[in-house]
Amino acid sequence: NAGVTQTPKFQVLKTGQSMTLQCAQDMNHEYMSWYRQDPGMGLRLIHYSVGAGITDQGEVPNGYNVSRSTTEDFPLRLLSAAPSQTSVYFCASSYSRDSYNEQFFGPGTRLTVL
Amino acid sequence: AQSVTQLDSQVPVFEEAPVELRCNYSSSVSVYLFWYVQYPNQGLQLLLKYLSGSTLVKGINGFEAEFNKSQTSFHLRKPSVHISDTAEYFCAVRLANAGGTSYGKLTFGQGTILTVHP
Repeated sequence: NAGVTQTPKFQVLKTGQSMTLQCAQDMNHEYMSWYRQDPGMGLRLIHYSVGAGITDQGEVPNGYNVSRSTTEDFPLRLLSAAPSQTSVYFCASSYSRDSYNEQFFGPGTRLTVL
Repeated sequence: AQSVTQLDSQVPVFEEAPVELRCNYSSSVSVYLFWYVQYPNQGLQLLLKYLSGSTLVKGINGFEAEFNKSQTSFHLRKPSVHISDTAEYFCAVRLANAGGTSYGKLTFGQGTILTVHP
């Protein structure tokens, strides 16, 4: 199993540009989520999905969209990038929505918005 | 809502010394507790978790943590650290019986950077 994969590893955008961060998992996990990591703030939840076709907002959803058309993929879209979205983005998945399940994290995407 | 506070942003120690990374949480309901480690330029890896039962939890790489419900703490310890333990460590909580918008949500602390010196 490849686990949780993310592409790209690095990205530089100009303000106003749009892009999609890709996330895929091959573990047949039901629950997937996106976090952003900023220095001194830990990881904060952006959006999550409890299954194909079902998504919901986390604590910092503004400026981001998600969709979940398949179990495997959970892309994160930035519609109009802003410098405040400069961050490291992590995708995570777990077997189910149950809280005792471990979340597995991808390697991250480092995004810089100029 | 739950919250997590990691009391030290940076902890420098010498190799083979013991270390304790402190974590306190706040929640009005039962929680599950986790410690994750992030090595430089990598994703997060689970070190250990507390779900129920014995309050002393052992994890990978010789780490252990003790759940203290009365003090709402979940401190991480290792009796003798190695250079390879240099990393950032995150404490996290999840509601034990989450529903609605809290479903499965992990709430993280701010992180503690452990630097092990030779």
